Amino acid sequence: AQRVTQPEKLLSVFKGAPVELKCNYSYSGSPELFWYVQYSRQRLQLLLRHISRESIKGFTADLNKGETSFHLKKPFAQEEDSAMYYCALSDQNTGFQKLVFGTGTRLLVSP
Amino acid sequence: DAGITQSPRHKVTETGTPVTLRCHQTENHRYMYWYRQDPGHGLRLIHYSYGVKDTDKGEVSDGYSVSRSKTEDFLLTLESATSSQTSVYFCAISVGQSFSGNTIYFGEGSWLTVV
Repeated sequence: AQRVTQPEKLLSVFKGAPVELKCNYSYSGSPELFWYVQYSRQRLQLLLRHISRESIKGFTADLNKGETSFHLKKPFAQEEDSAMYYCALSDQNTGFQKLVFGTGTRLLVSP
Repeated sequence: DAGITQSPRHKVTETGTPVTLRCHQTENHRYMYWYRQDPGHGLRLIHYSYGVKDTDKGEVSDGYSVSRSKTEDFLLTLESATSSQTSVYFCAISVGQSFSGNTIYFGEGSWLTVV
């Protein structure tokens, strides 16, 4: 079964520190992975997807098929990065795009 | 925001009453979804639609029904609301021309409290 695991419920860092939000997945096929961000009581916004390999707001994520991971990284955290982050996998075995989400990690960046 | 609006945005209802949440899109996208968001569970798919009158169940569909009589509207109904259905409900649409290159965009959410 498709599954996305985010082991940390909360990650607390100081401004300027490096950040790594962990995401592991299980999927029988070629996965398409995403990171979504949700600021307080707002809609989920797409942060990045692995096929585009672009950096958004200084965040990057590399798909590691050997370790089945898609960790989100940023070298220097900013206070405005405080938010809820969700890793998601696109389940395409059903014939259409359906997102399976992890449970989320709350990032708190302190001054 | 991909032209998605949800209504109502906030609602408090009593146990046993029916509730309908509406998702409206302005861009005629084929695929629409309803998710619920709960602490410790992330987002879970309730129902989805792949066209007018074409719907199917997601992983947490019990207690919910949906309808899509027009491309632009996807309705989620709680036939008899229970306290376990207190949650934030997000509508989403899939945007794009190709299957693997699509992007899923979310609405602003509907906060539902069942008392």
